[in-house]
Amino acid sequence: EVVLTQSPGTLSLSPGDRATLSCRASQSVSSTYLVWYQHKPGQAPRLLIYSTSNRAAGIPDRFSGSGSGTDFTLTISRLEPEDFAVYYCHQYDKSPQTFGQGTRLEIK
Amino acid sequence: QVQLVQSGAELKKPGASVKVSCKASGYMSTNYGITWVRQAPGQGLEWVASINFFSAKTSYVQNLQGRASVTADTSTHTGYMELRSLRSDDTAVYYCASGYYIFGKLLLESWGQGTLVTVSS
Repeated sequence: EVVLTQSPGTLSLSPGDRATLSCRASQSVSSTYLVWYQHKPGQAPRLLIYSTSNRAAGIPDRFSGSGSGTDFTLTISRLEPEDFAVYYCHQYDKSPQTFGQGTRLEIK
Repeated sequence: QVQLVQSGAELKKPGASVKVSCKASGYMSTNYGITWVRQAPGQGLEWVASINFFSAKTSYVQNLQGRASVTADTSTHTGYMELRSLRSDDTAVYYCASGYYIFGKLLLESWGQGTLVTVSS
C-alpha cells in the first residue's frame, strides 16, 4: 500500500506566519487523486485541496497546494486563528486509499 | 454539495455487531457513492470501505474483510456500514463521506458528523 508520511508531526507557529506542510508518498501517486483535509476536534474533516492544487468550494486563497509524484505540499500563506488544527493528506489513486498520520498545527 | 447525516453513538460489547447509517441529501448525480473512514482515539484517519450506489460495487480494507459489510438503499439515499465480531480496537469515530467521481474514483468532498462506536465489556 502507499504509505503517506507527513512532516513535521507538529508545527508551532503564530498567527500571521506562513505554514508549510509536507506529505511524502512511498510510491508515485497521481496528482489528480491527492487531497488535503483540515480536521478540528469534534468536527468532521473538511476538504481543503483536491487534485493537489485546487481549492475546494469556500476555501480561502491563503491555502494552496503543490507537488507531484511522491512529494506534495500544503501551504498556508498567513495563518489565521481558525487555521490551528490537524491536517491530513490523502491519496485515493491506489488501493487501498490511505491517509497520512497528520500534522498538528498549534499556536506558538 | 451533498449533506450527510449519520446515526447516533453506539455502545457495544465485544463480539457484538453494530450497524451505522448515513443518509445523503442535496444534489447527487445518478452515480454516487459513500466511503467509510474511522478514527480511533488519538489516532489518524483510516479508510474502512466504499460502496458505489449505482453499481453496488464494494471494496474493503484488508484487515476488516470478513467482518465489515457496506450496503446502500438507493430509494432513501442511505448507506450502511455493519461491523461484526467487535473488538476493543474497533472503538473509533466512524465517518461517512461522499462527493463526486473523478475518472471513476470518489473524491470525499462532504463528510458526515461522525458516529462514536465504543466497544467495551
